[in-house]
Amino acid sequence: AQKVTQAQTEISVVEKEDVTLDCVYETRDTTYYLFWYKQPPSGELVFLIRRNSFDEQNEISGRYSWNFQKSTSSFNFTITASQVVDSAVYFCALSEGGADGLTFGKGTHLIIQP
Amino acid sequence: GAVVSQHPSWVICKSGTSVKIECRSLDFQATTMFWYRQFPKQSLMLMATSNEGSKATYEQGVEKDKFLINHASLTLSTLTVTSAHPEDSSFYICSARDLGLATTYEQYFGPGTRLTVT
Repeated sequence: AQKVTQAQTEISVVEKEDVTLDCVYETRDTTYYLFWYKQPPSGELVFLIRRNSFDEQNEISGRYSWNFQKSTSSFNFTITASQVVDSAVYFCALSEGGADGLTFGKGTHLIIQP
Repeated sequence: GAVVSQHPSWVICKSGTSVKIECRSLDFQATTMFWYRQFPKQSLMLMATSNEGSKATYEQGVEKDKFLINHASLTLSTLTVTSAHPEDSSFYICSARDLGLATTYEQYFGPGTRLTVT
């Protein structure tokens, strides 16, 4: 069965610091999709990225970057020069095969202090 | 594009009553919709997969007689919590898979429905 582990329950940094959120996954499928979502206090999930298992290229989008390493089954998320607006709960998720529902990690509560 | 709505956004009901939550894909068709539940300060847990025109598939531990799912059209799935109890109080979120993007398995999440059972 699939599993997603986000070992960091809460991270607190001062604004402008860089921060990395860890995600480790387990799956027996060779085809799978990995996701990151942001959940602000309103509760609505904000899609950040989707990556399939055949694409190990790292990705950068503005201040956000993702490091996908199949060798360590990790899909880590880095925010550069963090801002107060980045404060939220961030979830890493996995979908085996792509057609199934998502298995979410427990989430990391990120607090950016001014 | 790719908007999923949920109605209501929040609901308070009395213990023992039933409540229906709607999930609609507004600008695309979805043969498959998913229902998740999130308790306070916890993660999202997949409850069931809803397929248009067929019975829903429930995850282990989810009572199918308590959480009735109907997916009668390509744009609407409903979740009915029957005989609700305070422990059913939670944030219910749906997602929908775009039929037109079947090969990319794109899923779009609704804004969620907060259910409080008193």
